[in-house]
Amino acid sequence: NAGVTQTPKFQVLKTGQSMTLQCAQDMNHEYMSWYRQDPGMGLRLIHYSVGAGITDQGEVPNGYNVSRSTTEDFPLRLLSAAPSQTSVYFCASSREFNTEAFFGQGTRLTVV
Amino acid sequence: EDQVTQSPEALRLQEGESSSLNCSYTVSGLRGLFWYRQDPGKGPEFLFTLYSAGEEKEKERLKATLTKKESFLHITAPKPEDSATYLCAVQNYNNNDMRFGAGTRLTVKP
Repeated sequence: NAGVTQTPKFQVLKTGQSMTLQCAQDMNHEYMSWYRQDPGMGLRLIHYSVGAGITDQGEVPNGYNVSRSTTEDFPLRLLSAAPSQTSVYFCASSREFNTEAFFGQGTRLTVV
Repeated sequence: EDQVTQSPEALRLQEGESSSLNCSYTVSGLRGLFWYRQDPGKGPEFLFTLYSAGEEKEKERLKATLTKKESFLHITAPKPEDSATYLCAVQNYNNNDMRFGAGTRLTVKP
């Protein structure tokens, strides 16, 4: 049972490049979310999804897109990378909104 | 706006020295308050969910309590393996937003 799998683990981008962070879960969870973690600021919610085909914005959605075509996958797209998007990104899933969330191992992204 | 403040930012304890971590919050409608543990380079790991004031939950050396304004994570007789960053988060009933505090970095010395 893999839980929540994020790829890649590390990535360096140049300003203006685009990329997709992958997230997959094998627990058949309906609720999935993306966070970024910056020093001293804690985790901040970027986007979330309550099921396939349904997504919504969190606290810091600008510069990011998401889609949810299947229950298992919830990719996060950076449209045009900026140095301010340098951060550690975590994907999480849970059975319902207000239940235990399982987090992936994170993707450390550096934008130069 | 929903807000979560954790204190202290860092806490150093001797093995066996009990203490408490604080999570103060403001939220327009509390769906749930969550505690997570995070080890360096890893994703957060779930500890507890509390849903209403007065609720308490325990797991090994940890006990979480909740009032209308704050939550405490009590650590009894900690061991070095309890060293980690402890994160508190609140979920808003009205907009499903999830807000995390900046965390308390706990170090337990043998």
